[in-house]
Amino acid sequence: SQELEQSPQSLIVQEGKNLTINCTSSKTLYGLYWYKQKYGEGLIFLMMLQKGGEEKSHEKITAKLDEKKQQSSLHITASQPSHAGIYLCGADHKAAGNKLTFGGGTRVLVKP
Amino acid sequence: GAVVSQHPSWVICKSGTSVKIECRSLDFQATTMFWYRQFPKQSLMLMATSNEGSKATYEQGVEKDKFLINHASLTLSTLTVTSAHPEDSSFYICSARDQETEGYSAKNIQYFGAGTRLSVL
Repeated sequence: SQELEQSPQSLIVQEGKNLTINCTSSKTLYGLYWYKQKYGEGLIFLMMLQKGGEEKSHEKITAKLDEKKQQSSLHITASQPSHAGIYLCGADHKAAGNKLTFGGGTRVLVKP
Repeated sequence: GAVVSQHPSWVICKSGTSVKIECRSLDFQATTMFWYRQFPKQSLMLMATSNEGSKATYEQGVEKDKFLINHASLTLSTLTVTSAHPEDSSFYICSARDQETEGYSAKNIQYFGAGTRLSVL
């Protein structure tokens, strides 16, 4: 969707290295959701950000939302093979929160 | 986290037959569920919003008579692909919205099923 741009499209990192995925919205976000998908499977909820400047962490994954609430980043520290998969950001552009618009996804491969 | 069960995970059918896919929220009630379609190496495309007790809201370009949605209870939504054809072959994923609140802010987290791979011969 042009409303939500995700970059890069794919990423290959050496095990133990850090990686960052970006998600940029053309509109102010009410909420930004990060999901992980393994090929042929459903999406696993990672984190949700709502407030400008908010930052959340879970294990080695950190997500941030900028002050203007139009850009988010997902950072993985010391990547492991288990971090491989497709990462998707989903944007809630309306206060009603009914629908999510998804970015194109970032395919992550971690080389052992 | 909340659990959403989707069944079947894989179905093969003949052209012209109908296929029903179920989406259940196992440990929470969902007044709203969503149905998505995903093509290979592409992101999710929202097909429709399923509302408990009322008609589904379809996205532009999605045929409502082709993709019948029923949300008869707070834990179950079904998608029926009617008179399926090979072009309907795809990966269909449902999600259920858990409208938990945090202070005055609704979190509206969507939890996803594992998806259904439909192959129409």
